[in-house]
Amino acid sequence: KNQVEQSPQSLIILEGKNCTLQCNYTVSPFSNLRWYKQDTGRGPVSLTIMTFSENTKSNGRYTATLDADTKQSSLHITASQLSDSASYICVVNHNTDKLIFGTGTRLQVFP
Amino acid sequence: GAGVSQSPSNKVTEKGKDVELRCDPISGHTALYWYRQSLGQGLEFLIYFQGNSAPDKSGLPSDRFSAERTGGSVSTLTIQRTQQEDSAVYLCASSSQGARDTEAFFGQGTRLTVV
Repeated sequence: KNQVEQSPQSLIILEGKNCTLQCNYTVSPFSNLRWYKQDTGRGPVSLTIMTFSENTKSNGRYTATLDADTKQSSLHITASQLSDSASYICVVNHNTDKLIFGTGTRLQVFP
Repeated sequence: GAGVSQSPSNKVTEKGKDVELRCDPISGHTALYWYRQSLGQGLEFLIYFQGNSAPDKSGLPSDRFSAERTGGSVSTLTIQRTQQEDSAVYLCASSSQGARDTEAFFGQGTRLTVV
């Protein structure tokens, strides 16, 4: 069954600290993987996209990694800011046929 | 329009009433998804439309929920005899399937409150 699982479900960190969010998937065949950020009261917006051949991709303080062998991805946030408080959703493209969404990780950054 | 448009943005309804939620996807996008998000929870898949194929309705929680997509564009999610547990934000997303860099674009959502 094609599934995307994220952990932790929720996370609280202090401003300035780093954190890492995990995404494990069983989707096959695999086309690409995106991380989305969803601010409170808004729809999710794409942060990064990674294809099968890419291991690491950065977008400012966000760095995504992908291990296609173990079917794991992570999103690392460096020097967190209050504005990073949001839900982060991992979405896997099932060989261009359908997008499979994870349930998300809710991150709260406290001052 | 330039993005995915959902209406209404907010809806308060009495228990037992029917509601219709509308999603206007990005022009040309063949794939359309409905999700709902209860307070503090993650995305819950409801239904997926892809072109002229039969929709994937595997996420609909009960037979009170139905959705249609007319002419491959606008979609309507209907909830009959609403219950309090139906209260959630209903999100619609569209994408242009068939591309390797497919990105889902989300609407702002409809916040449904059943009182």
